[in-house]
Amino acid sequence: GAGVSQSPSNKVTEKGKDVELRCDPISGHTALYWYRQSLGQGLEFLIYFQGNSAPDKSGLPSDRFSAERTGGSVSTLTIQRTQQEDSAVYLCASSHGLAGLVWGNEQFFGPGTRLTVL
Amino acid sequence: QQPVQSPQAVILREGEDAVINCSSSKALYSVHWYRQKHGEAPVFLMILLKGGEQKGHEKISASFNEKKQQSSLYLTASQLSYSGTYFCGTGNSGGYQKVTFGTGTKLQVIP
Repeated sequence: GAGVSQSPSNKVTEKGKDVELRCDPISGHTALYWYRQSLGQGLEFLIYFQGNSAPDKSGLPSDRFSAERTGGSVSTLTIQRTQQEDSAVYLCASSHGLAGLVWGNEQFFGPGTRLTVL
Repeated sequence: QQPVQSPQAVILREGEDAVINCSSSKALYSVHWYRQKHGEAPVFLMILLKGGEQKGHEKISASFNEKKQQSSLYLTASQLSYSGTYFCGTGNSGGYQKVTFGTGTKLQVIP
Protein backbone atom coordinates (compact mmCIF):
# COMPACT_ATOMS: atom_id res chain seq x y z
CA GLY A 1 0.00 0.00 0.00
CA ALA A 2 1.08 3.56 -0.63
CA GLY A 3 2.46 5.57 2.21
CA VAL A 4 2.61 9.34 2.62
CA SER A 5 4.25 10.99 -0.35
CA GLN A 6 5.70 14.46 -0.65
CA SER A 7 6.89 16.49 -3.57
CA PRO A 8 9.30 17.78 -4.52
CA SER A 9 11.90 15.83 -2.58
CA ASN A 10 14.33 18.72 -2.93
CA LYS A 11 13.73 22.37 -3.66
CA VAL A 12 16.35 25.05 -4.10
CA THR A 13 15.04 28.57 -4.41
CA GLU A 14 16.26 32.11 -4.23
CA LYS A 15 15.48 34.39 -1.34
CA GLY A 16 12.22 36.24 -1.91
CA LYS A 17 10.62 33.61 -4.14
CA ASP A 18 7.46 31.70 -3.25
CA VAL A 19 7.45 27.91 -2.92
CA GLU A 20 4.74 25.28 -2.72
CA LEU A 21 5.26 21.95 -1.02
CA ARG A 22 2.82 19.12 -1.58
CA CYS A 23 1.72 16.25 0.63
CA ASP A 24 -0.36 13.22 -0.35
CA PRO A 25 -1.52 11.45 2.82
CA ILE A 26 -2.48 7.82 3.18
CA SER A 27 -5.93 7.26 1.72
CA GLY A 28 -8.63 7.50 4.36
CA HIS A 29 -6.52 9.37 6.89
CA THR A 30 -8.47 12.37 8.12
CA ALA A 31 -5.69 13.99 10.14
CA LEU A 32 -2.72 15.64 8.45
CA TYR A 33 0.23 17.43 10.00
CA TRP A 34 3.07 19.59 8.78
CA TYR A 35 6.36 19.76 10.68
CA ARG A 36 9.64 21.51 10.08
CA GLN A 37 12.98 19.98 10.96
CA SER A 38 16.09 22.10 10.83
CA LEU A 39 19.48 20.42 10.58
CA GLY A 40 20.07 18.30 13.67
CA GLN A 41 16.98 19.65 15.37
CA GLY A 42 13.68 18.23 16.54
CA LEU A 43 10.28 18.24 14.90
CA GLU A 44 8.68 21.66 14.97
CA PHE A 45 4.90 21.54 14.64
CA LEU A 46 3.49 23.88 12.00
CA ILE A 47 -0.18 23.07 11.38
CA TYR A 48 -2.75 20.33 11.82
CA PHE A 49 -5.73 19.49 9.60
CA GLN A 50 -8.77 17.44 10.49
CA GLY A 51 -10.47 16.92 7.16
CA ASN A 52 -10.18 20.21 5.30
CA SER A 53 -10.24 22.32 8.45
CA ALA A 54 -7.17 23.53 10.31
CA PRO A 55 -8.12 23.76 13.98
CA ASP A 56 -4.54 24.47 14.98
CA LYS A 57 -2.32 26.80 12.99
CA SER A 58 -0.37 27.90 16.03
CA GLY A 59 2.96 26.62 14.76
CA LEU A 60 3.11 28.64 11.55
CA PRO A 61 6.16 30.90 12.07
CA SER A 62 4.82 33.96 10.27
CA ASP A 63 2.12 35.14 7.90
CA ARG A 64 4.40 34.16 5.02
CA PHE A 65 3.42 30.56 5.75
CA SER A 66 0.03 29.17 4.80
CA ALA A 67 -1.44 25.76 4.13
CA GLU A 68 -4.57 24.31 2.71
CA ARG A 69 -6.09 20.93 2.27
CA THR A 70 -8.66 20.01 -0.33
CA GLY A 71 -11.01 17.07 -0.65
CA GLY A 72 -9.82 15.81 2.70
CA SER A 73 -6.72 14.57 0.97
CA VAL A 74 -3.87 16.52 -0.64
CA SER A 75 -2.34 19.38 1.29
CA THR A 76 -0.13 22.22 0.10
CA LEU A 77 2.19 24.26 2.30
CA THR A 78 3.03 27.61 0.75
CA ILE A 79 5.91 29.83 1.84
CA GLN A 80 5.88 33.32 0.38
CA ARG A 81 8.91 35.56 0.05
CA THR A 82 11.23 32.83 1.30
CA GLN A 83 14.05 33.71 3.67
CA GLN A 84 17.28 31.82 4.35
CA GLU A 85 16.01 30.83 7.79
CA ASP A 86 13.21 28.90 6.07
CA SER A 87 15.78 26.34 4.90
CA ALA A 88 14.87 23.02 6.50
CA VAL A 89 13.25 19.67 5.83
CA TYR A 90 9.48 19.95 5.77
CA LEU A 91 7.77 16.76 6.87
CA CYS A 92 4.16 15.82 6.41
CA ALA A 93 2.42 13.11 8.43
CA SER A 94 -1.06 11.65 8.43
CA SER A 95 -3.09 9.56 10.84
CA HIS A 96 -6.55 8.06 11.09
CA GLY A 97 -7.49 10.99 13.27
CA LEU A 98 -10.10 9.14 15.26
CA ALA A 99 -10.14 10.81 18.63
CA GLY A 100 -10.04 8.56 21.64
CA LEU A 101 -8.69 5.55 19.80
CA VAL A 102 -5.07 4.77 20.47
CA TRP A 103 -4.51 3.17 17.12
CA GLY A 104 -5.87 6.24 15.44
CA ASN A 105 -3.07 8.38 16.77
CA GLU A 106 -0.09 6.78 15.05
CA GLN A 107 1.40 9.25 12.63
CA PHE A 108 2.85 8.04 9.34
CA PHE A 109 5.50 10.36 8.02
CA GLY A 110 6.40 11.14 4.46
CA PRO A 111 10.03 11.34 3.25
CA GLY A 112 10.05 15.13 3.50
CA THR A 113 10.95 18.00 1.22
CA ARG A 114 14.38 19.51 1.71
CA LEU A 115 14.11 23.24 1.10
CA THR A 116 17.20 25.31 0.54
CA VAL A 117 16.87 29.08 0.25
CA LEU A 118 19.92 30.74 -1.25
CA GLN B 1 5.44 23.51 25.53
CA GLN B 2 8.09 21.18 24.22
CA PRO B 3 8.89 18.10 26.34
CA VAL B 4 12.45 17.75 27.57
CA GLN B 5 14.43 14.66 26.67
CA SER B 6 17.52 13.30 28.37
CA PRO B 7 20.19 12.42 27.63
CA GLN B 8 20.72 14.43 24.45
CA ALA B 9 23.06 11.78 23.10
CA VAL B 10 24.34 8.36 24.09
CA ILE B 11 26.77 5.84 22.68
CA LEU B 12 26.28 2.16 23.45
CA ARG B 13 28.09 -1.02 22.63
CA GLU B 14 25.99 -3.82 21.16
CA GLY B 15 24.19 -5.68 23.91
CA GLU B 16 24.15 -2.80 26.37
CA ASP B 17 20.99 -1.24 27.77
CA ALA B 18 19.85 2.37 27.68
CA VAL B 19 17.10 4.54 29.10
CA ILE B 20 15.77 7.70 27.46
CA ASN B 21 13.64 10.02 29.54
CA CYS B 22 10.94 12.45 28.51
CA SER B 23 9.48 15.08 30.84
CA SER B 24 6.66 17.53 30.37
CA SER B 25 5.68 20.62 32.32
CA LYS B 26 2.05 20.08 31.36
CA ALA B 27 -0.42 17.36 32.27
CA LEU B 28 -0.18 14.51 29.81
CA TYR B 29 -2.83 12.44 28.10
CA SER B 30 -0.51 10.42 25.92
CA VAL B 31 3.15 9.89 25.12
CA HIS B 32 4.35 8.89 21.67
CA TRP B 33 7.76 7.48 20.79
CA TYR B 34 9.33 7.63 17.33
CA ARG B 35 12.74 6.72 15.94
CA GLN B 36 14.37 8.51 13.04
CA LYS B 37 17.35 7.07 11.23
CA HIS B 38 19.72 9.44 9.50
CA GLY B 39 18.20 10.82 6.32
CA GLU B 40 14.91 9.03 6.82
CA ALA B 41 11.45 9.91 8.10
CA PRO B 42 10.49 9.24 11.73
CA VAL B 43 8.93 5.84 12.33
CA PHE B 44 6.36 5.09 15.00
CA LEU B 45 7.42 2.88 17.93
CA MET B 46 4.57 3.06 20.43
CA ILE B 47 1.93 5.15 22.14
CA LEU B 48 1.18 5.11 25.85
CA LEU B 49 -1.91 6.54 27.48
CA LYS B 50 -2.12 7.93 31.00
CA GLY B 51 -2.41 5.24 33.62
CA GLY B 52 1.21 4.18 33.99
CA GLU B 53 0.99 1.37 31.49
CA GLN B 54 4.03 -0.15 29.98
CA LYS B 55 4.31 -1.25 26.39
CA GLY B 56 6.85 -3.20 24.45
CA HIS B 57 8.13 -3.36 20.92
CA GLU B 58 10.78 -6.01 20.28
CA LYS B 59 13.30 -5.35 23.05
CA ILE B 60 12.15 -1.78 23.42
CA SER B 61 9.62 -0.91 26.09
CA ALA B 62 8.31 2.25 27.67
CA SER B 63 6.57 3.41 30.79
CA PHE B 64 4.38 6.41 31.48
CA ASN B 65 4.09 8.04 34.89
CA GLU B 66 1.15 10.40 34.72
CA LYS B 67 1.74 11.94 38.13
CA LYS B 68 5.33 12.81 37.36
CA GLN B 69 4.41 13.80 33.79
CA GLN B 70 7.23 11.62 32.57
CA SER B 71 7.86 8.73 30.24
CA SER B 72 10.91 6.53 29.86
CA LEU B 73 11.98 4.42 26.90
CA TYR B 74 13.98 1.30 27.73
CA LEU B 75 16.24 -0.32 25.15
CA THR B 76 17.61 -3.68 26.25
CA ALA B 77 20.37 -5.72 24.64
CA SER B 78 20.82 -2.99 22.03
CA GLN B 79 21.45 -3.88 18.41
CA LEU B 80 23.18 -1.89 15.69
CA SER B 81 19.76 -1.31 14.12
CA TYR B 82 18.68 0.68 17.16
CA SER B 83 20.92 3.59 16.16
CA GLY B 84 19.04 6.76 15.36
CA THR B 85 17.39 9.71 17.00
CA TYR B 86 14.54 8.97 19.36
CA PHE B 87 11.77 11.52 19.77
CA CYS B 88 9.11 11.57 22.41
CA GLY B 89 5.90 13.40 21.65
CA THR B 90 3.32 14.45 24.17
CA GLY B 91 -0.41 14.77 23.73
CA ASN B 92 -2.34 16.93 26.13
CA SER B 93 -5.86 16.10 25.09
CA GLY B 94 -7.65 12.92 24.16
CA GLY B 95 -9.91 14.67 21.73
CA TYR B 96 -7.25 16.45 19.76
CA GLN B 97 -4.49 14.78 17.88
CA LYS B 98 -1.71 17.35 18.22
CA VAL B 99 1.58 15.92 19.39
CA THR B 100 4.38 18.15 20.60
CA PHE B 101 7.78 16.59 20.02
CA GLY B 102 10.92 16.91 22.12
CA THR B 103 14.32 17.78 20.68
CA GLY B 104 15.35 14.16 20.43
CA THR B 105 17.99 11.81 21.84
CA LYS B 106 20.68 10.68 19.45
CA LEU B 107 21.59 7.05 20.10
CA GLN B 108 24.54 5.33 18.49
CA VAL B 109 25.17 1.61 18.91
CA ILE B 110 28.68 0.49 18.06
CA PRO B 111 30.03 -3.06 17.62
